[in-house]
Amino acid sequence: EVQLVESGGGLVQPGGSLRLSCAASGFTFSSYEMNWVRQAPGKGLEWVSYISSSGSTIYYADSVKGRFTISRDNAKNSLYLQMNSLRAEDTAVYYCARVPPQYYFDYWGQGTLVTVSS
Amino acid sequence: QSALTQPASVSGSPGQSITISCTGTSSDVGSYNLVSWYQQHPGKAPKLMIYEGSKRPSGVSNRFSGSKSGNTASLTISGLQAEDEADYYCCSYAGSSTFVFGGGTKLTVL
Repeated sequence: EVQLVESGGGLVQPGGSLRLSCAASGFTFSSYEMNWVRQAPGKGLEWVSYISSSGSTIYYADSVKGRFTISRDNAKNSLYLQMNSLRAEDTAVYYCARVPPQYYFDYWGQGTLVTVSS
Repeated sequence: QSALTQPASVSGSPGQSITISCTGTSSDVGSYNLVSWYQQHPGKAPKLMIYEGSKRPSGVSNRFSGSKSGNTASLTISGLQAEDEADYYCCSYAGSSTFVFGGGTKLTVL
């Protein structure tokens, strides 16, 4: 059974940093591209970042470019999102999601809540 | 990238059919047959309902169908059931391994 479990969310002050993790199991993690998608409270889904199966290709949404860094450790079956210079508008539930070659999100984690507030 | 345009809400009675539209541009919906649809119940993670415009994952009811014409994709739910009440999001591949979501549509089953 495919499982994605996010962790690392919490309350952080504006300008602070946080590192999210996503532990994957039930599939060959190193064969899949992965993404982070977020959802602000009461709002819609927003794509945040993509990383290729090897980690060699990375893309970001304009809203987080230069502040967030996506990475992965295929030996540990884990995906990460390092978030720096956090702003109030980054407050959201962050989901990790698996992407097959046909470019859709077939499995999602349960999400982890990040709250940026003083 | 601008979000895809979806109606904020739609409603229907049990047994009826509804259609949710999703309008993008020639850079996303119009360029790729890679629109997907997600169902989200309150407090839950999104669930894939349609991929590649019209394909259903295993386990998704055949009451859900997808289509596309030009820059607009559509999700149709036939034979509405109470458990279909949820938020629905479209998503399109936008090139260079990036994605754009719609703003979401709240479906109410009357």
